[in-house]
Amino acid sequence: SQTIHQWPATLVQPVGSPLSLECTVEGTSNPNLYWYRQAAGRGLQLLFYSIGIDQISSEVPQNLSASRPQDRQFILSSKKLLLSDSGFYLCAWSAFSYGYTFGSGTRLTVV
Amino acid sequence: TQLLEQSPQFLSIQEGENLTVYCNSSSVFSSLQWYRQEPGEGPVLLVTVVTGGEVKKLKRLTFQFGDARKDSSLHITAAQTGDTGLYLCAGGVRELYNDMRFGAGTRLTVKP
Repeated sequence: SQTIHQWPATLVQPVGSPLSLECTVEGTSNPNLYWYRQAAGRGLQLLFYSIGIDQISSEVPQNLSASRPQDRQFILSSKKLLLSDSGFYLCAWSAFSYGYTFGSGTRLTVV
Repeated sequence: TQLLEQSPQFLSIQEGENLTVYCNSSSVFSSLQWYRQEPGEGPVLLVTVVTGGEVKKLKRLTFQFGDARKDSSLHITAAQTGDTGLYLCAGGVRELYNDMRFGAGTRLTVKP
């Protein structure tokens, strides 16, 4: 069966520090991978999506970047965090099945 | 501006009552999904609808996709406290990328 792992679960980082959130998928190959950010009352905002290795599309210009060095690994990064980067970050995968499977999320607080 | 508008934003009811929440848009979607999310967790897929006018039932939950594929509703019969959560709808525009756009959600509280 397919599983998705996302870590860490919570993170407190100072302004200006770097960020690296990792997401890995097991039990499937060539999945579509996604990073979303969720803010209270605004639903999920799509940040990045990838349909293959090194194929990344960005939805929102921002302080973040994404990379996909391996088929089932998706990384969200920042060189210098801003206060506005705080939020709940979710990784998800799909395989053209019209359904997403989400990771358990990372609560990022920038202080 | 949200691509998908969900209403109501908050809903608090007693156990045993029925309820309907709505997901509306001016855009046409190739598919529409409903998710439920618990605090501190990722959303969990409940259903996907792809055909205009489609109705799907999942135990006490009934999902309907509008004929024009622009809107959807979720009806819960005889709500239980376990139905409490954030209900999110998501619409897909481009099948190849399956990049879904989410509404802000309806936060449902079912009181015992």
